[in-house]
Amino acid sequence: AQKITQTQPGMFVQEKEAVTLDCTYDTSDPSYGLFWYKQPSSGEMIFLIYQGSYDQQNATEGRYSLNFQKARKSANLVISASQLGDSAMYFCAMSSTFTGGGNKLTFGTGTQLKVEL
Amino acid sequence: EPEVTQTPSHQVTQMGQEVILRCVPISNHLYFYWYRQILGQKVEFLVSFYNNEISEKSEIFDDQFSVERPDGSNFTLKIRSTKLEDSAMYFCASSDGLAVYNEQFFGPGTRLTVL
Repeated sequence: AQKITQTQPGMFVQEKEAVTLDCTYDTSDPSYGLFWYKQPSSGEMIFLIYQGSYDQQNATEGRYSLNFQKARKSANLVISASQLGDSAMYFCAMSSTFTGGGNKLTFGTGTQLKVEL
Repeated sequence: EPEVTQTPSHQVTQMGQEVILRCVPISNHLYFYWYRQILGQKVEFLVSFYNNEISEKSEIFDDQFSVERPDGSNFTLKIRSTKLEDSAMYFCASSDGLAVYNEQFFGPGTRLTVL
């Protein structure tokens, strides 16, 4: 079974600073994907970044980067130059295939990030 | 940019009533999902759907739940007899492939309140 662990229920960061949100995972699948989603107070789920288990390089998308350490089974999200609009809940999720085909996401419990002036 | 849409945005119902949550996935996507998020908790997988049948369902997805693709565009989640504990945000998602790298695009969610 897949499991995602996010140990930081809440984080604070000063505007313009960088912040790292932790995510560890557990799976026996050789092939999997790791995703980060942002959920603002309005409730929608916004895709941020993806890392594949076989990707050699860490993923980057603008101010978002993923610090992927496969041996440690961690996939931490780094947000550089934080902005007030980054205040939101952040979820780490893992995709895996299952018997019968298809794909599903397993989510962590999330980290509430607050960006302060 | 294509997006997943969901209606209604908020549904209030009495316990024991049937509700149908509607989703319009991205038009060229073939794989559809429902997730739910109880207030303050993590997002949980309910069911995946492909080729007009359920691919997988979680233990949450019991006999009171059903899904359907009644036409070429809509994807619905029906809860036959709602319980208080069904109160949650329900997200529909779609993807264009089965691989682990295929992003699932989420709709804005339907907030279900069972009284």
